[in-house]
Amino acid sequence: DQQVKQNSPSLSVQEGRISILNCDYTNSMFDYFLWYKKYPAEGPTFLISISSIKDKNEDGRFTVFLNKSAKHLSLHIVPSQPGDSAVYFCAASGDNNNDMRFGAGTRLTVKP
Amino acid sequence: NAGVTQTPKFQVLKTGQSMTLQCAQDMNHEYMSWYRQDPGMGLRLIHYSVGAGITDQGEVPNGYNVSRSTTEDFPLRLLSAAPSQTSVYFCASSYRTVSGANVLTFGAGSRLTVL
Repeated sequence: DQQVKQNSPSLSVQEGRISILNCDYTNSMFDYFLWYKKYPAEGPTFLISISSIKDKNEDGRFTVFLNKSAKHLSLHIVPSQPGDSAVYFCAASGDNNNDMRFGAGTRLTVKP
Repeated sequence: NAGVTQTPKFQVLKTGQSMTLQCAQDMNHEYMSWYRQDPGMGLRLIHYSVGAGITDQGEVPNGYNVSRSTTEDFPLRLLSAAPSQTSVYFCASSYRTVSGANVLTFGAGSRLTVL
């Protein structure tokens, strides 16, 4: 069962514009939501997280929004840069690592 | 600072062969885990360990064994390789952020092909 879903396999945006990556989940018991970024031939790297008690967390150009009633979160990148081109994974977990679930990923391409 | 180191990066096996994927971390993290990444499936947890001497199964443990004799090392063993185990494997260790989230630090991955 896919408890975390990223329905858009790919997204293409122009440099300088906003990138919005979306993620939906089904388990209302998740406490934390994370975004990871992955370049080819490398492991995923942590980007930003948000706990279930918040609805927004910002770190520089990256902002994550959480809508608990809709079981939906999104990652906004403003402004987008060509170096942001990568696969982005959404993940969710309770308090234990062993229940962390990942989405299938969205490939972001930022065109110069 | 090496972080999480995985070897080998690439491996080709024949059906029925066995092998071990090595993983080492130098961050003194207690928690370590193995994931596999398949197209359209995201990352799925195979096995994990919350400390030396302690291991447990994740979502997709069948066909794999692990052990954790030291904090640093967490090898993944394929006992009798099958084509369904063709995948990219990631080892990870974790730390907890100030907000309480458990963040995984991943190795670079090991691409395994089983013929």
